[in-house]
Amino acid sequence: DAGITQSPRHKVTETGTPVTLRCHQTENHRYMYWYRQDPGHGLRLIHYSYGVKDTDKGEVSDGYSVSRSKTEDFLLTLESATSSQTSVYFCAISEGTGVGGGYTFGSGTRLTVV
Amino acid sequence: GENVEQHPSTLSVQEGDSAVIKCTYSDSASNYFPWYKQELGKRPQLIIDIRSNVGEKKDQRIAVTLNKTAKHFSLHITETQPEDSAVYFCAGWDTGRRALTFGSGTRLQVQP
Repeated sequence: DAGITQSPRHKVTETGTPVTLRCHQTENHRYMYWYRQDPGHGLRLIHYSYGVKDTDKGEVSDGYSVSRSKTEDFLLTLESATSSQTSVYFCAISEGTGVGGGYTFGSGTRLTVV
Repeated sequence: GENVEQHPSTLSVQEGDSAVIKCTYSDSASNYFPWYKQELGKRPQLIIDIRSNVGEKKDQRIAVTLNKTAKHFSLHITETQPEDSAVYFCAGWDTGRRALTFGSGTRLQVQP
């Protein structure tokens, strides 16, 4: 398939609990991204990574942290889940050199915070 | 950072008609503008892209045009078919973040 997998595909969690979503790629791409998708907002950037241990914040990073200890894995953690973080989360990879390149998206994780 | 606005939010056309979706961007240094199609419950998939040194690009029934001076770009779908029904997203490359900024999406419905 696309060489990128997300886990879990669906998760229901309680308010206040920590949650970690995983993105795994087999393409050896340098760039990895986490977006959230909400109706009327399109896809909004949460965090991104240029390489191992090299990460930065996107436009909606509050309440989220990331880690990238290996090229193939990019983890997104909701430190203390809130109902406003109910969303569909997409990971994306890009082989671009930083001057603009297309993404390949994972299948998404549907997260519900109750 | 980059800001991308997309219109319309919904678009309904008859099968065989053309559809046009328009986007504007704010980062004058932005050099890459892809379009993604997302079917219900699926991941977004790249359908066409254009770089700032090109004014138009075609791939069968789809085409994208770019006006750098006005900072807008458009997706054109001709001879629409029911399978074109989906949500379409435009995006612009944020040169500061080295990431894509997406528009809010257009839901295209092609009526048989």
